[in-house]
Amino acid sequence: DAGVIQSPRHEVTEMGQEVTLRCKPISGHNSLFWYRQTMMRGLELLIYFNNNVPIDDSGMPEDRFSAKMPNASFSTLKIQPSEPRDSAVYFCASSYWLDAGGQETQYFGPGTRLLVL
Amino acid sequence: DAKTTQPTSMDCAEGRAANLPCNHSTISGNEYVYWYRQIHSQGPQYIIHGLKNNETNEMASLIITEDRKSSTLILPHATLRDTAVYYCIVRLLPNYQLIWGAGTKLIIKP
Repeated sequence: DAGVIQSPRHEVTEMGQEVTLRCKPISGHNSLFWYRQTMMRGLELLIYFNNNVPIDDSGMPEDRFSAKMPNASFSTLKIQPSEPRDSAVYFCASSYWLDAGGQETQYFGPGTRLLVL
Repeated sequence: DAKTTQPTSMDCAEGRAANLPCNHSTISGNEYVYWYRQIHSQGPQYIIHGLKNNETNEMASLIITEDRKSSTLILPHATLRDTAVYYCIVRLLPNYQLIWGAGTKLIIKP
């Protein structure tokens, strides 16, 4: 199994530009999570999808952030326009939701390091 | 959600057992204890989880006290590659939420 795949691994952009981060979850998993990690705030959950449907987006910082999951094997997190305070490492994680037993263990991707100048 | 308390940092000699403590005194009966680690600049890696009984897998052992108010993660033969930040998380299933603290920075020394 290739694990959770994220791209790009590093992104440097200028303030005001659009940034798109991509994630391919583990095959067979039906839940997907986007996290952000900074030194100041640690790991924060941004949004969670179950069966391609956004369930909880309460962690999305503001309207500049949007996430989509058009199918079971692909998700994007978009920032438009980007700001320097968006600089962070963004992680995608996936897991399997059991109807009776709830969420299984989350497995994380390698992350995307974003720097907004 | 129940919170956890971990030491900020710990050292361990290579080849020795690393014992990482975690306090979760407000844990409720149906909350699990999860351990993840994050090696520098990588994504968090799942290690082990348990409810009441001690658990062991190929990576580590998890010892949970009888009152469930604390637990210890044991890496039996630590190597330099085990240097990482280790997170103890209390999680209410079937909730998907993982509430991350600051973790313990474990440094394995040669």
